[in-house]
Amino acid sequence: DAKTTQPPSMDCAEGRAANLPCNHSTISGNEYVYWYRQIHSQGPQYIIHGLKNNETNEMASLIITEDRKSSTLILPHATLRDTAVYYCIVRPAGVISSGSARQLTFGSGTQLTVLP
Amino acid sequence: SAVISQKPSRDICQRGTSLTIQCQVDSQVTMMFWYRQQPGQSLTLIATANQGSEATYESGFVIDKFPISRPNLTFSTLTVSNMSPEDSSIYLCSVRTNGDTQYFGPGTRLTVL
Repeated sequence: DAKTTQPPSMDCAEGRAANLPCNHSTISGNEYVYWYRQIHSQGPQYIIHGLKNNETNEMASLIITEDRKSSTLILPHATLRDTAVYYCIVRPAGVISSGSARQLTFGSGTQLTVLP
Repeated sequence: SAVISQKPSRDICQRGTSLTIQCQVDSQVTMMFWYRQQPGQSLTLIATANQGSEATYESGFVIDKFPISRPNLTFSTLTVSNMSPEDSSIYLCSVRTNGDTQYFGPGTRLTVL
């Protein structure tokens, strides 16, 4: 039961901004949007997360639409090392507890290829 | 954030044997998890490693096949028992910090012949 939808693949020119879309039309009010990426043969790397406001850190920016049904991860100046599979995941916030409902459920993600 | 290390980073094992994977975190964390990533697939949660009690397994995973230990707040082990070629995967340790963000280790690449 997929909670997010992402394009399977995207290309981006080196030095340009990479904009990765994600649809999460059934997101609940207490669910955050998380982004991770996985470079080939490595463990997933946390990028950013947000609830409803736009967020920015040293790696990327996260733009969430006002209705929260979609979001875009922006890598402002893509490099060859940004080539990876990018995962958009929704997960409830709240007190720390066990249980599958608060787990990160990974879909297929978007394979981003940065071209020289 | 949390810095996570795993041992071994990779191994090639014979059918019918067992392998124990270690996960060490640089800080005390409440929640530790084990994931599996089969070739060409996404990540699947195996179990939550609970400190001081038995692990909580997801549907399709059983303790006899994947016994887990969690002796303290910085360390856990996952054993893959009686291995078959279908167990060839990347096994990943993950932790959730008090800030509620989840981080992943580098993974252990297992090949079963």
